[in-house]
Amino acid sequence: SQQGEEDPQALSIQEGENATMNCSYKTSINNLQWYRQNSGRGLVHLILIRSNEREKHSGRLRVTLDTSKKSSSLLITASRAADTASYFCATAARSDYKLSFGAGTTVTVRA
Amino acid sequence: GAGVSQSPSNKVTEKGKDVELRCDPISGHTALYWYRQSLGQGLEFLIYFQGNSAPDKSGLPSDRFSAERTGGSVSTLTIQRTQQEDSAVYLCASSLVGGPGGSYNEQFFGPGTRLTVL
Repeated sequence: SQQGEEDPQALSIQEGENATMNCSYKTSINNLQWYRQNSGRGLVHLILIRSNEREKHSGRLRVTLDTSKKSSSLLITASRAADTASYFCATAARSDYKLSFGAGTTVTVRA
Repeated sequence: GAGVSQSPSNKVTEKGKDVELRCDPISGHTALYWYRQSLGQGLEFLIYFQGNSAPDKSGLPSDRFSAERTGGSVSTLTIQRTQQEDSAVYLCASSLVGGPGGSYNEQFFGPGTRLTVL
């Protein structure tokens, strides 16, 4: 079953704009990860945030985590056409090791 | 190799036939995972291998699915008597370590095998 749920399902923005997507989950987690997938094939790890962290940055990516609300957000600043992809959040439970993925947010960046 | 590799990249088979999908993890990674992704969906966990421990098969959808990992490295996912609902992209991932508690490492994914059952 999918624990994470991304919102929105799809997002279309102009190049240079920021893109924000959210992820909600249900059970306690050890960490939450964001992945990107191009063309329905392999996933690329973007960033991992642990349950005791509230915010993390990596280049143009900013991730927040609110464990009280069981939610996370991914912000992509100054978007580029190459950012067009599907973005998935994945959670690792405290007592588990496998990742539970949401259905993803499809981001389209228009040139 | 530089990353996780999977073969074949595409497989078309007839309903009722058996298929084998192969995964070569990153050298040195002790944890190996198989996931399945149906069209437009997120990933569904299938099976997990950690070192020499017994695999966690809790995600396998039926007894037609099985997997093995030889020598702690290469893994093969076998689907017997394939059905049309087995059509999906099968993704393999590996990580340095895996296990509850402690430090989780990111998972590195292969490009996947697109399976089509006619």
